[in-house]
Amino acid sequence: GAGVSQSPRYKVTKRGQDVALRCDPISGHVSLYWYRQALGQGPEFLTYFNYEAQQDKSGLPNDRFSAERPEGSISTLTIQRTEQRDSAMYRCASSLASGAGGPDTQYFGPGTRLTVL
Amino acid sequence: QQPVQSPQAVILREGEDAVINCSSSKALYSVHWYRQKHGEAPVFLMILLKGGEQKGHEKISASFNEKKQQSSLYLTASQLSYSGTYFCGTESPGSNYQLIWGAGTKLIIKP
Repeated sequence: GAGVSQSPRYKVTKRGQDVALRCDPISGHVSLYWYRQALGQGPEFLTYFNYEAQQDKSGLPNDRFSAERPEGSISTLTIQRTEQRDSAMYRCASSLASGAGGPDTQYFGPGTRLTVL
Repeated sequence: QQPVQSPQAVILREGEDAVINCSSSKALYSVHWYRQKHGEAPVFLMILLKGGEQKGHEKISASFNEKKQQSSLYLTASQLSYSGTYFCGTESPGSNYQLIWGAGTKLIIKP
């Protein structure tokens, strides 16, 4: 079946512009995670959802970052007034379980490479 | 706090064995291992749960020492396809199911 997809794969924007990054999880997966990954580093947690409910947003760097998953499927990570330091690979992952039953395998998407000029 | 992985990098000849370690300063509920090839997404290898349960790959083994808050990944008779960066993600009690990821161990397999 289809894996996690993300769009766009590459986004180049000018400083001060808003960007919206989309994640389409594996069908039926309850949990959806957003990460930021710097080159040569592990994923850095940003936020996650169970169904449409945002469970934890403690990893969002500041209030310019927000995420939503209004119908419990597709999610959008929005960065307002982008800054050069926001440049990174943004990945989402989804998992079948909600977490209440214990940890579950996370399936990662290909990522969106964001470059802020 | 980020788990510490060691070594940072290792170079092997095909057929040799490797051990990658992941150590946390916090009590652990589970440890997740992933492999990422250059330019690709991380791919699941294994989950180790408190209490000894494991879910994962047939050809890769791992250990989880709850008392020492450590996990090790064992790659035996390495193949060229094992090359990549290996990440551990740790889950601690009360972490709200959030994984904290190590900085990775880069594994290079030479023919």
